[in-house]
Amino acid sequence: KQEVTQIPAALSVPEGENLVLNCSFTDSAIYNLQWFRQDPGKGLTSLLLIQSSQREQTSGRLNASLDKSSGRSTLYIAASQPGDSATYLCAVRQGSARQLTFGSGTQLTVLP
Amino acid sequence: DVKVTQSSRYLVKRTGEKVFLECVQDMDHENMFWYRQDPGLGLRLIYFSYDVKMKEKGDIPEGYSVSREKKERFSLILESASTNQTSMYLCASRGNTDTQYFGPGTRLTVL
Repeated sequence: KQEVTQIPAALSVPEGENLVLNCSFTDSAIYNLQWFRQDPGKGLTSLLLIQSSQREQTSGRLNASLDKSSGRSTLYIAASQPGDSATYLCAVRQGSARQLTFGSGTQLTVLP
Repeated sequence: DVKVTQSSRYLVKRTGEKVFLECVQDMDHENMFWYRQDPGLGLRLIYFSYDVKMKEKGDIPEGYSVSREKKERFSLILESASTNQTSMYLCASRGNTDTQYFGPGTRLTVL
């Protein structure tokens, strides 16, 4: 059964710093991987989707990479801002499955 | 613009009541999902549907049922609400682009 892990559970950084969030998964036979952002008490917002054939995706200050063979993905946030404070979750979709398997998230705080 | 809406942001019900949570998407997506989210337990899949009238159990279906009579609407039903069903409920949908879109969530409290 696929397991998705995100370490650390919480991270606090000063504004302006570049940072990396980690996601690891146990079964490399994934179809795609998606990064989400969740603000307190709200739903999830999709940030980036990486297909299994891709190595990375970029959107603005965000860059997500995927290394299937090692079972890892990273979300790089450049020049962090207080508005980036949120919980970031990664989720993988297994080969033929319809559902996603979610990690437990990393709670990011960017201090002004 | 992509939109998933949920019928209520906050809901308070009594133990034993039948509860309906409604989710509507306007993107003509085939796949729709119901999750619950609890501190320390993360997101857990309750049920999902890949077509009208089709449904599959997720990881924690006990105490819940679902209905999908129209493509755009996916309902979660708590047959007899219990206090351990107090939670944040999140609906999501997904189409051919693979991106999964979530609604704003319903915070349900069962007294």
